[in-house]
This record gives sequence, structure tokens and C-alpha cells, in this order.
Amino acid sequence: SQQGEEDPQALSIQEGENATMNCSYKTSINNLQWYRQNSGRGLVHLILIRSNEREKHSGRLRVTLDTSKKSSSLLITASRAADTASYFCATDAVGAQKLVFGQGTRLTINP
Amino acid sequence: EAQVTQNPRYLITVTGKKLTVTCSQNMNHEYMSWYRQDPGLGLRQIYYSMNVEVTDKGDVPEGYKVSRKEKRNFPLILESPSPNQTSLYFCASTRTMGTEAFFGQGTRLTVV
Repeated sequence: SQQGEEDPQALSIQEGENATMNCSYKTSINNLQWYRQNSGRGLVHLILIRSNEREKHSGRLRVTLDTSKKSSSLLITASRAADTASYFCATDAVGAQKLVFGQGTRLTINP
Repeated sequence: EAQVTQNPRYLITVTGKKLTVTCSQNMNHEYMSWYRQDPGLGLRQIYYSMNVEVTDKGDVPEGYKVSRKEKRNFPLILESPSPNQTSLYFCASTRTMGTEAFFGQGTRLTVV
């Protein structure tokens, strides 16, 4: 069963703008992770936020987590053409013994 | 360099011909898993392994087998492939469950 649902499915913005992607999930989690996938290639880990954290930063990335709403957001600031990729959230649900991925947001940065 | 290596990267095969996709990691990770990725369905877990000789089914295990005889290797076996197993497959490893996952480059399998 899919735990994470992402919104929007696709996002197209101009270079330099900020991009925000959202993820909702259904059950209690230990942590939530975000990954990037360039077309047809392996996923690359971006950031992990634990259930007791509300916000985390890594370079141009900012992740928030609201466990009461069971949702997370990924903000990419000052976007670049190289940020064009698909972005996935993945939840480590309590007792699940596995990461469950959402269907992803396809982000396109236009020069 | 920390990495997960899958082989082959591309494979076209015929229905019913047994095949194995290999996966190897060099990070001494305990946890390994296989996913398939299909358009509109995201990544779905096929099987996972929490350590040597410990494997369990994921969400879509039908038609697949795995083994974990050594910590570094986690091959995916399709005993009798069918066209509905045409997909992009990924192997991943993590130090323990819930930590950062490292993914292989993927195997694009076509079954005709």
C-alpha cells in the first residue's frame, strides 16, 4: 500500500524561483525522507527528518514536517536547471520494516 | 566509494526464461531491498532482507525470489518471467532500517 502521496504530480517553474512539493502520509512514522531521481537513474537521498523534528535545512533545501497533519513539504530555493528531476518522499512507518515511497513530483526548471 | 552495483543495466528476455539480476553493496549494510518502478505507480517494494539469511516479502513479491547468503549480495531471481514484469528495477541498501538508502543505477527489464 502506498503511504506517501505527493502533490503536485508535476511542477514547472522558471530558473531562480522557489519550488515547493508536498507529501501526505497515513500512519505514524519514525522518519520521513526525500529523494531525487534524474530520468531513469537511481534515487539519491536528499534529507531525512525525524518524527520529533519540525524543520530541517540542507543547503538550498528546506523540509518541514507536521505530524499532526501527517504531511511534509520540500522547498528548493533559487532553483537551477540541474534541479530538474523527480522528487519522492519516503516514510519509515512505525513497525513497518520498510520505506514506502510516494509516486513523486516531476519538477522542471525552465531556463 | 560507497555504492550499490546492479547488473545488468538493460535486459531483454523472452517469457519463461529464468533470469537473475545481481545486486552488491560495499558498505557492510544490514538492510537491502528490491523495488520496481512503473509509470503512475511509483516505487513498490518487492522483497527485503534485514540481514544474512533473513528475507521477507514486500508489497509485490509474486513472481520473484531473492536470497541473502552473504551480507553484500542480494540477487533478484525471476524463475519464469512474464510480460507484466517488464519494469525498471532498483536495489537499495541501508545501514539499518530507517536510515538513508543507497540505490543502484537500475535495471531496465523487458520481457517479450
